[in-house]
Amino acid sequence: DGGITQSPKYLFRKEGQNVTLSCEQNLNHDAMYWYRQDPGQGLRLIYYSQIVNDFQKGDIAEGYSVSREKKESFPLTVTSAQKNPTAFYLCASSWRGADEKLFFGSGTQLSVL
Amino acid sequence: DQQVKQNSPSLSVQEGRISILNCDYTNSMFDYFLWYKKYPAEGPTFLISISSIKDKNEDGRFTVFLNKSAKHLSLHIVPSQPGDSAVYFCAASVYNQGGKLIFGQGTELSVKP
Repeated sequence: DGGITQSPKYLFRKEGQNVTLSCEQNLNHDAMYWYRQDPGQGLRLIYYSQIVNDFQKGDIAEGYSVSREKKESFPLTVTSAQKNPTAFYLCASSWRGADEKLFFGSGTQLSVL
Repeated sequence: DQQVKQNSPSLSVQEGRISILNCDYTNSMFDYFLWYKKYPAEGPTFLISISSIKDKNEDGRFTVFLNKSAKHLSLHIVPSQPGDSAVYFCAASVYNQGGKLIFGQGTELSVKP
């Protein structure tokens, strides 16, 4: 059953702590993305990767880091430099090419203790 | 700078009637537009899309209209059903820019029986 799996569903971060959100896809998609959703706002792009071992900053990359060592995996680390990390984080993937429709995971809710 | 705007945060419609959700954009380079549907604590799911070479695209009860001169698109749902109650996001992209979708703030649709 193909899809995008995000884990954990809920995550709590202590002051000064780095946390990593997992995203795995078995759709054989080339591109993967991380978005953040805050209440009353649209989704904002954090980082994206179109190919293994390459990634680019989105609109709100400060305080976040990513890696893309495998095609299937695109983990997001929320570092202590991100001062307002509480949000709903969404991972997505897509084919590269004519149809740039994104497929989303079910999200991770990150809260600060 | 909000490039994609959904000015109505919420919309309430009676079951069986038409729902019209609106979206405006400012970037004339956008040439691909999508609508996503999202339930609470879940990832968005793709609904319908339209490219800038068309002014209408239909899929069952869902129709998207694009007015390029006005930089405006709308989603029509006919007839509306209670299961359509969700948050609807419009999104836009520039073709071949790596699938970087720019999202609006969302409109929460409530369809009452």
